[in-house]
Amino acid sequence: EVQLVESGGVVVQPGGSLRLSCAASGFTFGDYTMHWVRQTPGKGLEWVSLISWDGDTTYYADSVEGRFTISRDNSKNSLYLQLDNLRSEDTAFYYCAKDGAVAGIYWYFDLWGRGTLVTVSS
Amino acid sequence: SGLTQPASVSGPPGQSITVSCTGTTSDVGDDDYVSWYQQHPGKAPKLLIYEVSNRPSGVSDRFSGSKSGNTASLTISGLQPEDEADYYCGSYASRNTLGVFGPGTKVTVL
Repeated sequence: EVQLVESGGVVVQPGGSLRLSCAASGFTFGDYTMHWVRQTPGKGLEWVSLISWDGDTTYYADSVEGRFTISRDNSKNSLYLQLDNLRSEDTAFYYCAKDGAVAGIYWYFDLWGRGTLVTVSS
Repeated sequence: SGLTQPASVSGPPGQSITVSCTGTTSDVGDDDYVSWYQQHPGKAPKLLIYEVSNRPSGVSDRFSGSKSGNTASLTISGLQPEDEADYYCGSYASRNTLGVFGPGTKVTVL
């Protein structure tokens, strides 16, 4: 089955850290750019970060630049997001999403996971 | 977000409605990397339209997309009760934050 499954969301204090994981199956993971997108409960979507299919290129939203780090392990079909120096405004559902075309960055997301909830609170 | 969508759009079953997404020459108007997503409550978003007007396999042909200048549009023809959901546009943006979404439009079937 073609799917993405996120994990790692927890309640963490401001200033804390955690790592999110996304397990991919049913497609050739190493052929696709992958993204993280987040959504504050009851609010809209916010693009967070991307990593190219080969791991050589990464980009971040201004709101997380310098605090979050995206990575991937193609041998394990897995995507990661390291979240450091967390703030209350980082509270959100975090989705991993697959870019739509092979070996490129096409800025559309044709497969989404179900999301994992990160809550930043003291 | 830099993109503007109406907060809500509604219509009776069978009618056609259009959801707009207005940006700038640095995002929607810059290229054809505009996409649309449907999200039902408690669910992950689902891709409806990519590259302005392309429909993935499995998406109903009642959904169509277009663009004129800095405004993209999603049209839902023959509105059905299951179309009641939130709809988001997305775009590549040639500025610091490279990916942007609109704030979302709640579509209500009357």
